[in-house]
Amino acid sequence: AQKITQTQPGMFVQEKEAVTLDCTYDTSDPSYGLFWYKQPSSGEMIFLIYQGSYDQQNATEGRYSLNFQKARKSANLVISASQLGDSAMYFCAMREPSTGANNLFFGTGTRLTVIP
Amino acid sequence: KAGVTQTPRYLIKTRGQQVTLSCSPISGHRSVSWYQQTPGQGLQFLFEYFSETQRNKGNFPGRFSGRQFSNSRSEMNVSTLELGDSALYLCASSSQAGGLEDTQYFGPGTRLTVL
Repeated sequence: AQKITQTQPGMFVQEKEAVTLDCTYDTSDPSYGLFWYKQPSSGEMIFLIYQGSYDQQNATEGRYSLNFQKARKSANLVISASQLGDSAMYFCAMREPSTGANNLFFGTGTRLTVIP
Repeated sequence: KAGVTQTPRYLIKTRGQQVTLSCSPISGHRSVSWYQQTPGQGLQFLFEYFSETQRNKGNFPGRFSGRQFSNSRSEMNVSTLELGDSALYLCASSSQAGGLEDTQYFGPGTRLTVL
């Protein structure tokens, strides 16, 4: 079973509008971390935001916020006031430290295109 | 602070050759992880090194190997290259091995093409 599922291969958003990128995850561990990364065409993965399973509040970082619904096992990324530079691939990832591993499990990504 | 650097950025090899990729982590970071990214398989974990020891390994054949030096710099080697090894190889560093919110910071990647 996929640990991270991103069901939107591509999304379009008008400049200055908000957009939500979906992410659902699958784990039986009570403790886990969720990450979002942005990958422009250059290839580098840029860290955006982190949410821990025990965090009481949704994470926010500037224009990025995370809509964390633990019971539904979803961690959707919300980008407010979209900019042309937001056009990129976006990946949701999870870490399960109880496995003893430090690696991240990534979803298949969502390609976001911001329309002027 | 300088970010994660990877060299070379682009590489073209032929089947059967071997290749070595290099990664320099963010100063002070001791954990280095390697990922392979392909259009078909997405991002897959290769291995992780911490304090010169391989801590974890993904599901890749033994042709893929790596090592870490005392200054935390890491190299990965792929022997007997196959066409399917063509990919973007990403290196990521983090300050410690594990921990729920230990963020991995990625380098720009090395794009390997096998002909």
